[in-house]
Amino acid sequence: DIVMTQSPDSLVVSLGERATINCKSSQSILHSSNNKNYLAWYQQKLGQPPKLLISWASTREYGVPDRFSGSGSGTDFTLTISSLQAEDVALYYCQQYYGTLPTFGQGTKVEIK
Amino acid sequence: EVQLLESGGGLLQPGGSLRLSCAASGFTFSIYTINWVRQAPGKGLEWVSSISGNGDRIHYADSVTGRFTISRDNSKNTLYLQMNNLRAEDTAVFYCAKNGEGGIASGPNWFDAWGQGTLVTVSS
Repeated sequence: DIVMTQSPDSLVVSLGERATINCKSSQSILHSSNNKNYLAWYQQKLGQPPKLLISWASTREYGVPDRFSGSGSGTDFTLTISSLQAEDVALYYCQQYYGTLPTFGQGTKVEIK
Repeated sequence: EVQLLESGGGLLQPGGSLRLSCAASGFTFSIYTINWVRQAPGKGLEWVSSISGNGDRIHYADSVTGRFTISRDNSKNTLYLQMNNLRAEDTAVFYCAKNGEGGIASGPNWFDAWGQGTLVTVSS
């Protein structure tokens, strides 16, 4: 199975500042046939199910604010919140769908300073 | 609007059995792979199982293989998870989640819609 490792485990950022979450896969999740990275990002607020933010490593889901962006390729990926808002306090997970069995990172908790 | 509604959770003893259901609406159910994803209390997300739109392609996590069986009834727009020989470590909120990309024989990909979840507690 492909192991996904996120860093840091938690992040404290001031309102309006940038938040950066990293995700590393144990093998490349870039498919040579279509040059796409098989990675998604989710946001989970307390007591709620996860919400899809980004697929294909950088394609924002419809309705997701443009302060959220995804980047990276191969084994190293980043989710960036360009200007943290109060409503962004949540857990964030990366997930690979390259392998037959999808796997998630352990999650990163984002809080306000 | 896409909606997924899980039901069937509860409290049971180790070794017991339970069947979860997920009622879907707002999309063409039969052309999407649907998944079960669980989250133990205070822990992260774990994909459990998936079934393709036509029911031909089924996958399980190693942790549940041989104990859990996924199925679907496209005439009722409903997904099921039969869970047998339950263990304490199966205690979790179970979510059904729809594949982001359609295809009647697709494997799991990303998950663009999630239900609210149903809690399964296994304890003596």
